[in-house]
Amino acid sequence: GEKVEQHESTLSVREGDSAVINCTYTDTASSYFPWYKQEAGKSLHFVIDIRSNVDRKQSQRLIVLLDKKAKRFSLHITATQPEDSAIYFCAASMSNNRIFFGDGTQLVVKP
Amino acid sequence: DMKVTQMPRYLIKRMGENVLLECGQDMSHETMYWYRQDPGLGLQLIYISYDVDSNSEGDIPKGYRVSRKKREHFSLILDSAKTNQTSVYFCASSLNWGTYEQYFGPGTRLTVL
Repeated sequence: GEKVEQHESTLSVREGDSAVINCTYTDTASSYFPWYKQEAGKSLHFVIDIRSNVDRKQSQRLIVLLDKKAKRFSLHITATQPEDSAIYFCAASMSNNRIFFGDGTQLVVKP
Repeated sequence: DMKVTQMPRYLIKRMGENVLLECGQDMSHETMYWYRQDPGLGLQLIYISYDVDSNSEGDIPKGYRVSRKKREHFSLILDSAKTNQTSVYFCASSLNWGTYEQYFGPGTRLTVL
């Protein structure tokens, strides 16, 4: 089955800088790539997704890039704020199939 | 207000006891999921339910079973709990399976002594 890897287990940035979290996937049939955020002691919630028919999507300070050739996708958080500190999970899914999650990246935004 | 609820939020059980974790959603979502989350291991899928009485094993179904008799409720049952089932359990739901956003419940922290 699909395997999703997150390259950074932890990432520390200064407030106002950009943060980039990188993920790779194995199955070329994957076509849907969501990102979830988990704040300390809380549950996960959806933040942004990208589908394979585009290679870039932006929602406010969040940008997702998709490189289908390299089977790589990334989440860029611009102008980071302390409330961006959380664990971020990337995931991949084929059409009409389950979602496979990465192991998470702990983002710390230092003031 | 779209919501996934889980009961109980915290539970302590002794090894060998039975455990029932309940999940509810008010969005009429077809698909529901049970995950467990352990430090450094991300989310591991235990079971998926595609609708009432239509359940499939995930990656780690051993030691667990599920029940879905109504679309809005999905239960996770541990018959004779083991200490290695100590974990945080998350329920989630989605409109359909695969390419739809999953809504997560608040989680249940289960400790098996």
